[in-house]
Amino acid sequence: EPEVTQTPSHQVTQMGQEVILRCVPISNHLYFYWYRQILGQKVEFLVSFYNNEISEKSEIFDDQFSVERPDGSNFTLKIRSTKLEDSAMYFCASSSRGFNEKLFFGSGTQLSVL
Amino acid sequence: AQSVSQHNHHVILSEAASLELGCNYSYGGTVNLFWYVQYPGQHLQLLLKYFSGDPLVKGIKGFEAEFIKSKFSFNLRKPSVQWSDTAEYFCAVKRSGAGSYQLTFGKGTKLSVIP
Repeated sequence: EPEVTQTPSHQVTQMGQEVILRCVPISNHLYFYWYRQILGQKVEFLVSFYNNEISEKSEIFDDQFSVERPDGSNFTLKIRSTKLEDSAMYFCASSSRGFNEKLFFGSGTQLSVL
Repeated sequence: AQSVSQHNHHVILSEAASLELGCNYSYGGTVNLFWYVQYPGQHLQLLLKYFSGDPLVKGIKGFEAEFIKSKFSFNLRKPSVQWSDTAEYFCAVKRSGAGSYQLTFGKGTKLSVIP
């Protein structure tokens, strides 16, 4: 089965630093998503992205966050100035034709903000 | 906004026991419902989904779920669990229709199957 790839698997950063989490969605997919899970809490939706723009975002996705598809294969999540509470597992997902289709999730990037 | 409750944090069963994991959601409109599974060290995978039609949905690996609209429930069942079913199970809901892309997840239920 095709896979969504996320790198790195674990990232450690200092508070206030910028981080970029990288994802390679499945090649023919058109819809892209970021979710996160803070330890012991629910998996939470951050943002969806289609046709080079944000389709929907949650309250968590404030001005510190941005997403980009810089080329035909990568989908990135940038956190401009990390806070301690940004420590979480970040999951990228993609789907072929949108909201009614199966989401394929990556294995996640564990972000630790010190 | 929609929300999802999973009643059990950790369920421990012996092999061949029957499984039922509870999931209730709150939302006044039409929803799509999902169960995802995360095996140790692996990514989230879709087990099954309900969009419309027959409220009894069959998924992979012998799992099924029943949508009971009057109870706002979508419980996951399996008649006989195996050790390989040890994983964390997440119920999720999405508002039905165009323009809504986000899944709302429950906190998850960890299932441990003892050989």
